[in-house]
Amino acid sequence: DTEVTQTPKHLVMGMTNKKSLKCEQHMGHRAMYWYKQKAKKPPELMFVYSYEKLSINESVPSRFSPECPNSSLLNLHLHALQPEDSALYLCASSHGLATNTGELFFGEGSRLTVL
Amino acid sequence: KQEVTQIPAALSVPEGENLVLNCSFTDSAIYNLQWFRQDPGKGLTSLLLIQSSQREQTSGRLNASLDKSSGRSTLYIAASQPGDSATYLCAVPTDSWGKLQFGAGTQVVVTP
Repeated sequence: DTEVTQTPKHLVMGMTNKKSLKCEQHMGHRAMYWYKQKAKKPPELMFVYSYEKLSINESVPSRFSPECPNSSLLNLHLHALQPEDSALYLCASSHGLATNTGELFFGEGSRLTVL
Repeated sequence: KQEVTQIPAALSVPEGENLVLNCSFTDSAIYNLQWFRQDPGKGLTSLLLIQSSQREQTSGRLNASLDKSSGRSTLYIAASQPGDSATYLCAVPTDSWGKLQFGAGTQVVVTP
């Protein structure tokens, strides 16, 4: 099973709403990632969790709040977003950090639209 | 700073032709290089991972080569099919914390 599952697939929210994106993997991977992808652009890293601890925050605005409740789950809490935050949010996992074991597995993404 | 470039940006071939996709990187001190496929509006599917110590990696009709000294990787797809139509991205880690630097991708269309 090399599957990373993301929910919801689509999300529409207003600028005052609070919502969450969820990501789950059962591959025993200890590193999990959030990437953001705008249309026609490559993905850009937002956060890295290693062994359930936040390792990297790529200067992401505080309206995005990641959470790693356990080694299989990764959440992204959204609050007071702006229309320019509309994008495809991708979750990924790897056995270790990419430099050690390499292969990242991505989910299908959550398409977020902020009105 | 590592920069990753993919040329061409777009490619259209008739079914049955072999595909050749190029990826170049500026810093040859890479740990590995990964090729992905992305269908419109979907996530990324990992195709091949080449470790820095390897020269090539094969999976079915796919073959990827790596030449660290020249900062290049090439993805070959043999006997292309319409189902191979997608955007192909290459990526390398830029630090020890798993940050991937992606190329802009090559959009491939295989016509029947």
